[in-house]
Amino acid sequence: DQQVKQNSPSLSVQEGRISILNCDYTNSMFDYFLWYKKYPAEGPTFLISISSIKDKNEDGRFTVFLNKSAKHLSLHIVPSQPGDSAVYFCAARTTSGTYKYIFGTGTRLKVLA
Amino acid sequence: EAQVTQNPRYLITVTGKKLTVTCSQNMNHEYMSWYRQDPGLGLRQIYYSMNVEVTDKGDVPEGYKVSRKEKRNFPLILESPSPNQTSLYFCASSPGDSPTGELFFGEGSRLTVL
Repeated sequence: DQQVKQNSPSLSVQEGRISILNCDYTNSMFDYFLWYKKYPAEGPTFLISISSIKDKNEDGRFTVFLNKSAKHLSLHIVPSQPGDSAVYFCAARTTSGTYKYIFGTGTRLKVLA
Repeated sequence: EAQVTQNPRYLITVTGKKLTVTCSQNMNHEYMSWYRQDPGLGLRQIYYSMNVEVTDKGDVPEGYKVSRKEKRNFPLILESPSPNQTSLYFCASSPGDSPTGELFFGEGSRLTVL
């Protein structure tokens, strides 16, 4: 039972436009939601996170939105750049006293020049 | 430089030959964990450790062992590797009181079991 789902395996966007990556979750017992970026042959790199008590967090070109009623979060990248081309994973951390991280299956973003 | 270091980065082995993938972090983090990445399945947590001598199973612990005798090290042990453990493995760490929940990842260890 995948508790964190990324339903779009891939996304292509023109350089300069907005990229929107989506993630759905099925469990309410998460305290943090995170986005990671991964290039081939490298470890995942932290991008941005949001606490479950907030609905928006912004860091430069990256904004994460959390809709708790819909159990949905999204990552907006504006403007998109060719260097943003990578696989993006969303993740959630449980609040059960121990920290279990559950990752989605990833979305491959391609930013076209 | 703050980092998580895994070794080996690449390994080809045969079924049944015990192996250990080491993980070390120099950030004094309490939390450490192991993940495997497989096509179409994303990253799945194998084991995690909240602190020294405290470990717990993740979602896919079968066939793996871990130990946390020191804060900085968290080795992953495959007692009798099988071909279905061929995968890309990542170690990660985090401070216990992280304000962002951020995990710091190593560069990965690609394991092939023949």
